Amino acid sequence: QVQLQESGPGLVKPSETLSLTCTVSGGSITSYFWTWIRQPPGKGLEWIGSIYYSGTTTYNPSLKSRVTISVDTSKNQFSLKLSSVTAADTAVYYCARGPEYSNSWYVYWGQGTLVTVSS
Amino acid sequence: DIQMTQSPSSLSASVGDRVTITCQASQDISNYLNWYQQKPGKAPKLLIYDASNLETGVPSRFSGSGSGTDFTFTISTLQPADIATYYCQQYDNLPPTFGPGTKVDIK
Repeated sequence: QVQLQESGPGLVKPSETLSLTCTVSGGSITSYFWTWIRQPPGKGLEWIGSIYYSGTTTYNPSLKSRVTISVDTSKNQFSLKLSSVTAADTAVYYCARGPEYSNSWYVYWGQGTLVTVSS
Repeated sequence: DIQMTQSPSSLSASVGDRVTITCQASQDISNYLNWYQQKPGKAPKLLIYDASNLETGVPSRFSGSGSGTDFTFTISTLQPADIATYYCQQYDNLPPTFGPGTKVDIK
């Protein structure tokens, strides 16, 4: 069974860079798109961006200037960096995976990790 | 971006009731519409993909329909385990976008 697990600091200072890693177990990272989605407390879901295992990325235009997603196939991990964070970036961050070769819907999700932006 | 709206924003129903949620897209998205269930403190769970296809392992009391801009999600017989927030999500255009959610609870 595929499992995803987010890891990274739970507290980030304003203007700094948020960094999270998603570790994939129970399956290969190849042939799939890997996605980051966030949810501010009490609010809805926002798609941040995706990376194909080959390294091709797609980002939400609203965040594109601040987002970098990368993949390390040797470690079965992919990562998110969000620069110049503000309080508006406080959210639960989820990593997710869809069906093979498709970035359409998300079957497998991590448990989510709350990142708070505060000094 | 394609804007997704849902109605109602919340509802209260009795166990055994039929529950219907609607989702509307700001433009034609064909059938590129998915439905998720999210319980408090948990990640969303995919229930329906491509508007009407039931994800493996999801109970048959959940169903979806629609195409173009108007979609419907139905719980045929509400169960206590169905208390959650439900989100629609389009993937016709990048970025994928989600509806604001519909919170379902028991009357």
